[in-house]
Amino acid sequence: AQKVTQAQTEISVVEKEDVTLDCVYETRDTTYYLFWYKQPPSGELVFLIRRNSFDEQNEISGRYSWNFQKSTSSFNFTITASQVVDSAVYFCALDPDNNNDMRFGAGTRLTVKP
Amino acid sequence: EAQVTQNPRYLITVTGKKLTVTCSQNMNHEYMSWYRQDPGLGLRQIYYSMNVEVTDKGDVPEGYKVSRKEKRNFPLILESPSPNQTSLYFCATHPGASYYEQYFGPGTRLTVT
Repeated sequence: AQKVTQAQTEISVVEKEDVTLDCVYETRDTTYYLFWYKQPPSGELVFLIRRNSFDEQNEISGRYSWNFQKSTSSFNFTITASQVVDSAVYFCALDPDNNNDMRFGAGTRLTVKP
Repeated sequence: EAQVTQNPRYLITVTGKKLTVTCSQNMNHEYMSWYRQDPGLGLRQIYYSMNVEVTDKGDVPEGYKVSRKEKRNFPLILESPSPNQTSLYFCATHPGASYYEQYFGPGTRLTVT
């Protein structure tokens, strides 16, 4: 079964704090793809990153970083020095064959207070 | 500019009144999908299409129909809407296998009373 679990329903931090959003996935496939999307209050879905199962290198993009660990089936997302504009719902997703079977987690609502 | 458009963006309707939500993309993508987003459940796929005249069920297809007569359009049809179809709907598209990014439309918020 393909499944994504985002155990943190809501997180609230104060601006400039670092925050990590957890994502745990389940799949029997050896090749799979993981994604993160951001949904700001305006409602659209904004693509953040795609990572395939063969690439366990961590990735950094500005204040965003992702930690992919196959040993724990996790693909966690860290925002460093959070800002109010980071307030959004963040979704982790899994596509087992990068074809068209994307499974989303329930999402984590992040609130960054000034 | 690459775009996925959905219409209407907001709709309030009554139980049993047929409705169609349109989706159109200008990227010549093969794949198109419909998702619904519900609190605590994330996004769940309703139907998808791999090409013109090729459609298949996703995880939650009951109560929905789709058609793909042209590559750019993928309408979602609710023949007899019910209150449990009140949700936020997203159309999405990507170019095919090994896609890097799936492009989402702006969403359609549907309320069925």
